[in-house]
Formats: sequence, C-alpha cells, structure tokens
Amino acid sequence: QKEVEQNSGPLSVPEGAIASLNCTYSDRGSQSFFWYRQYSGKSPELIMSIYSNGDKEDGRFTAQLNKASQYVSLLIRDSQPSDSATYLCAVNPLENNNDMRFGAGTRLTVKP
Amino acid sequence: ETGVTQTPRHLVMGMTNKKSLKCEQHLGHNAMYWYKQSAKKPLELMFVYNFKEQTENNSVPSRFSPECPNSSHLFLHLHTLQPEDSALYLCASSQDLGSGNTIYFGEGSWLTVV
Repeated sequence: QKEVEQNSGPLSVPEGAIASLNCTYSDRGSQSFFWYRQYSGKSPELIMSIYSNGDKEDGRFTAQLNKASQYVSLLIRDSQPSDSATYLCAVNPLENNNDMRFGAGTRLTVKP
Repeated sequence: ETGVTQTPRHLVMGMTNKKSLKCEQHLGHNAMYWYKQSAKKPLELMFVYNFKEQTENNSVPSRFSPECPNSSHLFLHLHTLQPEDSALYLCASSQDLGSGNTIYFGEGSWLTVV
C-alpha cells in the first residue's frame, strides 16, 4: 500500500477555474502536511503547510485537512497558466519524523 | 534564487566512473538530505544528516556514499553506478529534524548513467 497517494493526472482546467488536487495518506498518526509545486525540470518549492484539521488559506491557495478521513487537498482559485506544474503532497509520519513521505504528484495543466 | 545550491546540474557518467555531487546550503540549517526522484515515482529519501552526523540511511546501495563535512555542505560520492540509477538527485535542508520543519530543495543534479 502506497503511503501517500495522489491521482497522477493530468488534471486540466480552464483559466480562471478552481483546480482541486487531492491526496490520501496511510499513516493515521501523521502530524504535518505539505504541498509542493514542481515545474518541469525544476526542484520542488513549498506552497503550503497545514497541521490542523480544517482549511488554511494563502492567497489563491487553500489547503484542506481531514485527519479522520486521512485526506488533504489543495484548491487553487482563479487558476492561471503559470500554475501549470506537478503538485506534490508530502506527509510527515509520526513514527519517523525525519522521513517526509511524498506522493508521486499530480500534473496540472491550466489552459488559457 | 534558492538557498540550496547543487553542482553539477547535469552529469553523464559511465558505469565504471567515480564522480561526486555537491550541495551547499546558505540558510543556516542544521539538517541536510539527499533525495532521488525518478520519472513518475515519489521522491525517495536516501540520507539524512543532522549537525553533520548521519541519522538515516534508507537502505541505499553502497555505490552511493554520502559525506557531510559540516552543516552547510553535503556530498554524494558515486561509483560503479547502474543505468537504473539515472535520476534527478535533490539535496535539501531544514532548520532541524522533526515534524513541522519545512524542507527546502536545491535545483537538483540530473544524472545519466550510460
């Protein structure tokens, strides 16, 4: 069983729409959750971190965490072509806090 | 500009070669990492160093040998690699180890083994 699962996509949305990216994780005791954006040929860069159940908003981005369902999502409002990238979900499991577990990523394409 | 710099950015090496990847972080962090990223696979943690002491070796083959002379520098020495080792190797750092510490990545070193 994969520890962090994401739909590989590609997910395609029109410019201005809301893009919804989803992630599930297997370790129920996980404490911290991150979304990274990775442009093609570039390294991952942190977009959002979330630690508590509920929503966390930062500009056009909203992270949502539901620990009971072991589910974390990222919403991108007013999507722009520049948002086209692969989005990586990362989870820090409780038993080994040195080992951030990453999903394989969801490729998002925002069409003008 | 990233606070974590890696060299070389691209490397092609034969299976009998010996080469090294270098990483330097300018963020004053205490922990440094090596990750491997292969196509369509999750990032794989290889090694973790905290205050220049190795704390994790994720069952990495001995043909990969890390070295951390101080908290700011990290090397990955490569020898007798296999074609399946071709991947993007990412160096990263965080302030400390443990839950809640954000990991910052370098630009990566693209390795091709021929």
